[in-house]
Amino acid sequence: DTAVSQTPKYLVTQMGNDKSIKCEQNLGHDTMYWYKQDSKKFLKIMFSYNNKELIINETVPNRFSPKSPDKAHLNLHINSLELGDSAVYFCASSPPGQGRHEQFFGPGTRLTVL
Amino acid sequence: GNSVTQMEGPVTLSEEAFLTINCTYTATGYPSLFWYVQYPGEGLQLLLKATKADDKGSNKGFEATYRKETTSFHLEKGSVQVSDSAVYFCALRKGGGADGLTFGKGTHLIIQP
Repeated sequence: DTAVSQTPKYLVTQMGNDKSIKCEQNLGHDTMYWYKQDSKKFLKIMFSYNNKELIINETVPNRFSPKSPDKAHLNLHINSLELGDSAVYFCASSPPGQGRHEQFFGPGTRLTVL
Repeated sequence: GNSVTQMEGPVTLSEEAFLTINCTYTATGYPSLFWYVQYPGEGLQLLLKATKADDKGSNKGFEATYRKETTSFHLEKGSVQVSDSAVYFCALRKGGGADGLTFGKGTHLIIQP
C-alpha cells in the first residue's frame, strides 16, 4: 500500500494552461505539504495544511492554489503556467507532534512547461 | 531565519571508502534534524533523524549525531557501497504542528566500484 501517492507522475503542458496535481495519504496524518524541487535539486516548501486549514504559504504566486477537500487529500492547482514552473513537485504528510516527526514524501510529479 | 548548509558535491568515492557529508544549521531553539536520501528518479526517503542534542540517529550503516555546540549533524558511513549512490539532503524542522522542513541544497554522492 502506497502511503503518500501523487498523480500524475509526469505532466507536460504548454505555457498558459491550467493544470492540477493530486495527492492522497493513507497514513491518517493531520498535516500535508507541497514542496517544489528545482532543476538544481533544491527543495523548498510551498504550502502546509493542518486538518484542511492552510497554515503556511511561502511567498508562492497566487497562480498556485492548494485545495484540501479532506485531511487525506491535498491537491495543487496551477493557473496560467509559466516556463519557470517546470520542476518536480512533492507532496508530504506528517503526524502531529511538535516537529519531532519526520515527513513522509510522495514519489513526485515532474512538471514540464513548454 | 532557519537555514541548513551542506557540502554540495558531487562527492565521488570508491566502494568501501569512509563517507562524511558535512551539515551545519542555523535555527533558534531546538530543531529536530533529519537526513533524507533521494535515489535517481525517486522521491525522498527518511534515512535517519535526531530530535534533541547528543542524540545519534542511525540506519543502514549511516550515522549522524546532533551536536548543539557546533550546530552540526554530519552524516557518516564506514564502508559505502555502489547502491548508496544518491542525493543526500540534510534538513531541520523547528517545531509546531505544521512546520515545513528546511532543506540543505543536497549532496550528490557517487560510489564507483
